[in-house]
Amino acid sequence: DQQVKQNSPSLSVQEGRISILNCDYTNSMFDYFLWYKKYPAEGPTFLISISSIKDKNEDGRFTVFLNKSAKHLSLHIVPSQPGDSAVYFCAASKTSYDKVIFGPGTSLSVIP
Amino acid sequence: DADVTQTPRNRITKTGKRIMLECSQTKGHDRMYWYRQDPGLGLRLIYYSFDVKDINKGEISDGYSVSRQAQAKFSLSLESAIPNQTALYFCATSDPTGRQPQHFGDGTRLSIL
Repeated sequence: DQQVKQNSPSLSVQEGRISILNCDYTNSMFDYFLWYKKYPAEGPTFLISISSIKDKNEDGRFTVFLNKSAKHLSLHIVPSQPGDSAVYFCAASKTSYDKVIFGPGTSLSVIP
Repeated sequence: DADVTQTPRNRITKTGKRIMLECSQTKGHDRMYWYRQDPGLGLRLIYYSFDVKDINKGEISDGYSVSRQAQAKFSLSLESAIPNQTALYFCATSDPTGRQPQHFGDGTRLSIL
C-alpha cells in the first residue's frame, strides 16, 4: 500500500495562473516532506521541503503547505511558467535524516 | 561535469544475463541510494548505503545486489535479469547532516527482453 499518494496523475494550467499539486500520506510518523521536479531524460531535482513544525514554506514562486491533521500537503506555483512543465514527486520521511518514500508523481503541463 | 554520474545511460539485454549499473559521485557524500522508477509507482528504494561498510535493503531488494567499492562509488547488480526489472534506475546521494536532500543522477534506462 502506498504511503505517499498523489491522486492526480496529470494537471494542465494556463501560463500565469496558479498550479496546485496535492499529496496525501498515511504514515503519521512522517515528519519531513519534500517536493522534487523531474524533466524527461534527467534525474529528479530537489525543489522545496517542509518539516512538521511548520505549516508553510515559501521559496520564490513555490510554496508548500502542510496540514498534519489531514495528512495532506500541497505545492503551489504562482505564477506558472512553461518551464515548470515537468513531473512533480511528493516525498516524505520520518526525519530529515531518514530515507524518503516517494509518491507516484503528477505531470504538470503549463500551457503558453 | 555531473555531480552524480550513472553508466550506462541505456542498456538492452536478455533475460538471464547479469547486469551491473554503476554510479559515481563527486559530492563527497557518505550516503548513496539506488531507486527504480516505474510508471504510476514513482521511485522505489532498492538499496542504500550510509558509508562504505554499510549496506541496507530498501523496499524492493529481491533480485538485486549492490557493492559500495568506495565512498564515491556504488554499483547495482542484477544477477539474472528478468523482464519485470525493465525500468528507469536512479542513483542518488545525500549528506548525513540531513540538510541536503538527495541528489540524483540522470538515470539508466534498462530494458530486459
